[in-house]
Amino acid sequence: NAGVTQTPKFRVLKTGQSMTLLCAQDMNHEYMYWYRQDPGMGLRLIHYSVGEGTTAKGEVPDGYNVSRLKKQNFLLGLESAAPSQTSVYFCASTPFLGSDTQYFGPGTRLTVL
Amino acid sequence: EDKVVQSPLSLVVHEGDTVTLNCSYEVTNFRSLLWYKQEKKAPTFLFMLTSSGIEKKSGRLSSILDKKELFSILNITATQTGDSAVYLCTQGSNYKLTFGKGTLLTVNP
Repeated sequence: NAGVTQTPKFRVLKTGQSMTLLCAQDMNHEYMYWYRQDPGMGLRLIHYSVGEGTTAKGEVPDGYNVSRLKKQNFLLGLESAAPSQTSVYFCASTPFLGSDTQYFGPGTRLTVL
Repeated sequence: EDKVVQSPLSLVVHEGDTVTLNCSYEVTNFRSLLWYKQEKKAPTFLFMLTSSGIEKKSGRLSSILDKKELFSILNITATQTGDSAVYLCTQGSNYKLTFGKGTLLTVNP
């Protein structure tokens, strides 16, 4: 099992460009999450999904969109990147309702110039 | 809104010292309190606590939860340089985790 994987690992964007971050898990987990981590801010939830075809907003959703067309994949999109979105992005998954233990991907370091 | 506060925010100790990391939380629909260790990569799971007063232990690390006073502590005994990391406390409820800002632990040889 690869666990939770994220693509790409690093990316540099210019202001206004768009991109999609891909999270994939091969553990058949129901729930998936996108976080951003900034210095001194801890991990903040952007969006999450409780199953295929469903998504919900987290703590800091503005400027991001997500989709969960397949159970194993959770995509995070930035339509018009801004320097404030420079961050490290982590994807996580958890197997089922009642399980709070989340398994994290390796992260994507995004810089917006 | 749910809130998780960790203290101290950073800590520097010498190898062999014992450290205690603190976590307080204010939350509705509490289900669990989790600790993660984060080195220069993804957080890795340490403990999940759901019952008050029951200590979880793994080697030199241990943790306990007090649901009445809404806090948890993470103890690390006989610290080693490999314990240097950010330790994240997080509370689980409503299918989500709310994270504290973390405690940066530096263990010097």
